[in-house]
Amino acid sequence: EPEVTQTPSHQVTQMGQEVILRCVPISNHLYFYWYRQILGQKVEFLVSFYNNEISEKSEIFDDQFSVERPDGSNFTLKIRSTKLEDSAMYFCASSEGAGWAYEQYFGPGTRLTVT
Amino acid sequence: GQQVMQIPQYQHVQEGEDFTTYCNSSTTLSNIQWYKQRPGGHPVFLIQLVKSGEVKKQKRLTFQFGEAKKNSSLHITATQTTDVGTYFCLTTDSWGKLQFGAGTQVVVTP
Repeated sequence: EPEVTQTPSHQVTQMGQEVILRCVPISNHLYFYWYRQILGQKVEFLVSFYNNEISEKSEIFDDQFSVERPDGSNFTLKIRSTKLEDSAMYFCASSEGAGWAYEQYFGPGTRLTVT
Repeated sequence: GQQVMQIPQYQHVQEGEDFTTYCNSSTTLSNIQWYKQRPGGHPVFLIQLVKSGEVKKQKRLTFQFGEAKKNSSLHITATQTTDVGTYFCLTTDSWGKLQFGAGTQVVVTP
């Protein structure tokens, strides 16, 4: 069964550094998403991406964050100047169509630890 | 803005018992999806509800969408240890905004 993959599984970085989290969505999917989950808390929507542009973003997704689809398979989340409070599990997801109407498939997540 | 409340936040169930978790929105929803996240895992899609008053069943799980499309419930009968995890609702409002509920963490004791 096709699945969403994410790398790395765990990233440790120092405060102020930039990190790039990588995702490979399911190949025929058109919509891509990033979510984060702070330990013990709910999953929070960050951004959705379609047709090579952001289709929606939350209040959390400010200028510190950016997304890119650099090639036909990867989907990345860049976090600039990381802060301690950015420590969380980051999930990538993809769907065949718009997320409000189609099942989203989640990757296993990247645990980001900012020290 | 849209507020999504999920209750209870925590549910301790004896194996074999039934329980229900609820997802309530302050605004009318376009649809609602339910996901399950096992401890240490990622959310996995369970079901999607679109129509007012819709009821769907998956074995021991019954999902319902309210008539006003502002709330939904997930009812599990005869709970098993495999039901352990956190159940989230993912809502979409009229403007297409996605929002997860805080989740109901379910613990099952044999």
